[in-house]
Order: sequence, then structure tokens, then C-alpha cells
Amino acid sequence: GAGVSQTPSNKVTEKGKYVELRCDPISGHTALYWYRQSLGQGPEFLIYFQGTGAADDSGLPNDRFFAVRPEGSVSTLKIQRTERGDSAVYLCASSLVASGPLGAYNEQFFGPGTRLTVL
Amino acid sequence: AQKITQTQPGMFVQEKEAVTLDCTYDTSDQSYGLFWYKQPSSGEMIFLIYQGSYDEQNATEGRYSLNFQKARKSANLVISASQLGDSAMYFCAMWSTDKLIFGTGTRLQVFP
Repeated sequence: GAGVSQTPSNKVTEKGKYVELRCDPISGHTALYWYRQSLGQGPEFLIYFQGTGAADDSGLPNDRFFAVRPEGSVSTLKIQRTERGDSAVYLCASSLVASGPLGAYNEQFFGPGTRLTVL
Repeated sequence: AQKITQTQPGMFVQEKEAVTLDCTYDTSDQSYGLFWYKQPSSGEMIFLIYQGSYDEQNATEGRYSLNFQKARKSANLVISASQLGDSAMYFCAMWSTDKLIFGTGTRLQVFP
């Protein structure tokens, strides 16, 4: 398909385990974003990539969270030693570039999300 | 700090009526953008409408319009002629320095 895809759609894990969440952006999009949406809340920014590098990781809650995008396309969000508070929907979005001319917005296209449940 | 505030946790509207969803924002940036997204129960985020901080006219997209009042820092969404399929969560968001900041959302329910 032409949209952003995320796998798995659902992930159930036990407290203390390691998980990886994958995002496949729209082909040709150089910017990729991760957001976390807790129950009853709006999405919360975690990190974004422009190409292969993390341009802004200020939203990562602590050092248990890490994300990579080694070839500038697919990205993996990695969570170590999961805690019950990590349970949320993790959303990925991509855009052509992070900013257009004069910092203009480029539309972000969202994937369907991965629902993570930590027991 | 940048912040989006949506003070209406839930709204009800009758089919074919208009409804306004409130959004206020706080930023010290001179250049920013404001958005509304719809999130149905299936979970995907659907882009509805965008307003740039330097745009002089209010944005419109079909039945959606954005009532932008820069001095009051408000960006309310107006949905005209509501339809049953409009029932969903609606999020206001602000774009600044390459990321989106979302509000807590308003759940809109349209009844026949």
C-alpha cells in the first residue's frame, strides 16, 4: 500500500521485557516521527528523524526508549525493561521533509499505530 | 512552553446541525501552524484542516472551517451540517520546530 505501515498492530508483553515496534514510512518521505498516545490523551511527540539521523529526541521519556532509522526509511522504536506505564498506542508518521521553505509545514501522514500492552 | 488546550471533553450535536469545537494555544514562536485531526474508533489520525500563523483568511475544507483568532490565540473548528459519520475524537494540534503538539481531544457524538 501507499500509506505508512506499522507492525505489529498489537503487542502484549510482560513487565521487564524488551520490545521493538516497526514503522515503514511512505516511499520517498525523508522525515519520520514517533508519537505515543496514552488512553484518553492526545498523541505525545517522542522523536523525529530527518534521513538517518535523529533530529530531535527530546520527547523520549527516559533512556529505556531508543529509536533507529539506519537506512533512512524503516524505523524501529525499541523499549527496554518495559513497565506497565509504557502501555499505549505508538503512532508513526512521515512527511516529505520535516520543514519546507521558511520552515513551512509539510503534512504528516500517520500510520494505524501499534497498541502496546505491558502486563 | 508550547501548549494546546481543549476544554470540551465531550460534545453532542444533532445531525445536520453545526458544531464548534474549541481550541486555544500558547506559543512564543512567530511562525507556527494549527491543525485539526479526526480520530475515529479505528484509531487512525485523519488530517482535516490547517491554518498557518501568517494566513490572513480562515481556512476552509468542505464542511470544515477553522475560526482563527490570532490575538486571542484560538483556533476553533466549525463543522457544518454534521453527519453521523462525524462521531469521533477530534484533536487540535500546533506545529512548531518540526513537531506536532496535540491537545487532549474532544469526543464528538452526532445523534439522529
